[in-house]
Amino acid sequence: DTEVTQTPKHLVMGMTNKKSLKCEQHMGHRAMYWYKQKAKKPPELMFVYSYEKLSINESVPSRFSPECPNSSLLNLHLHALQPEDSALYLCASSQALGAREAFFGQGTRLTVV
Amino acid sequence: AQTVTQSQPEMSVQEAETVTLSCTYDTSENNYYLFWYKQPPSRQMILVIRQEAYKQQNATENRFSVNFQKAAKSFSLKISDSQLGDTAMYFCARFKGAQKLVFGQGTRLTINP
Repeated sequence: DTEVTQTPKHLVMGMTNKKSLKCEQHMGHRAMYWYKQKAKKPPELMFVYSYEKLSINESVPSRFSPECPNSSLLNLHLHALQPEDSALYLCASSQALGAREAFFGQGTRLTVV
Repeated sequence: AQTVTQSQPEMSVQEAETVTLSCTYDTSENNYYLFWYKQPPSRQMILVIRQEAYKQQNATENRFSVNFQKAAKSFSLKISDSQLGDTAMYFCARFKGAQKLVFGQGTRLTINP
């Protein structure tokens, strides 16, 4: 199983809503990542978790709150988002930091209205 | 600072032709990994090919091969016998500091029938 599963695939939320994105992998990977991708742009790193601990926060606004409850699961909690936060949110995992390959999920297309 | 540069925003070739996508990068590290990822309309980032900097031999995966010029910090992707399914956005990437996967701006490749 070389799959990273993200749910939901699409999400529309209002600026006052609270929602969560979910990412799951069962490859035994110990590093997990959140990326944000705007239209026609490359993915940009948001957060890195290594062995369930936050390793990197790329100065992401606090309205994005990551959580890694166990080694297979990575969540991104969303609260009071702005329309400019609308983007594709990609989750990825790798065996460890600096591994030879990172596997990506299909992403969640988020629209903030 | 941009550490991965793709100078071709768009390319278009006929089916069965060979196409080369360019990528240059900046690094002070001696050993590192370089990647080409493909992102079709389905949105999922798919690893096409990987090159380890300490290996002088260029990586090859079926119809995909790279021309890795370490001294010039150049890493181009050659697609032979191109197929309609190769139509996608292609991103060159490398790990920065063993934790952060940094992408170029991407090249939109269209294979015409």
